[in-house]
Amino acid sequence: DVKVTQSSRYLVKRTGEKVFLECVQDMDHENMFWYRQDPGLGLRLIYFSYDVKMKEKGDIPEGYSVSREKKERFSLILESASTNQTSMYLCASSLGAYEQFFGPGTRLTVL
Amino acid sequence: QKEVEQDPGPLSVPEGAIVSLNCTYSNSAFQYFMWYRQYSRKGPELLMYTYSSGNKEDGRFTAQVDKSSKYISLFIRDSQPSDSATYLCAMIWGNTGNQFYFGTGTSLTVIP
Repeated sequence: DVKVTQSSRYLVKRTGEKVFLECVQDMDHENMFWYRQDPGLGLRLIYFSYDVKMKEKGDIPEGYSVSREKKERFSLILESASTNQTSMYLCASSLGAYEQFFGPGTRLTVL
Repeated sequence: QKEVEQDPGPLSVPEGAIVSLNCTYSNSAFQYFMWYRQYSRKGPELLMYTYSSGNKEDGRFTAQVDKSSKYISLFIRDSQPSDSATYLCAMIWGNTGNQFYFGTGTSLTVIP
């Protein structure tokens, strides 16, 4: 079974802090994704990566950056956390186009 | 207008009922249509996918795509309490992540 793990299930940070969310997949997938999920808005793509050191902006990249130094690891960085970044963050990986394997999510609260 | 529209519910049905979940979309270029299921405090998992129009059946689940009406459905027969989850439709027209569009999800509760 594909396993996608995320570094934290719950995280509480203060406004202005730099926040790192880590994601690791164990199936040698090329593609990795970061989404945020908010009530009434669904899943929105922040960034994705189709290869090591490659990244593409999704629909809502503002305030976020990403890093993919190794194939199995994809990090999401909030340079200066703000309260409107309080959300559920979901990482996913895929080999093909239509099946994405999701991690359990990180619920981030920014105070 | 959103690319994908999905009624958020919540939907509450008795055990054994037939459930119909639906999404509409605006972009006629979408080619793959997926249904994901998300249990509480978990990430979504792929339930079914279809390519282009038509029906696809997998056990108690049937996915239906009507491209002429830009409408997709998921039917659950003989619903079980274990089907209680949020169901998200998703669709893509290309093979890169930024072309992947999710509905907002419909929350389903099956009452024993």
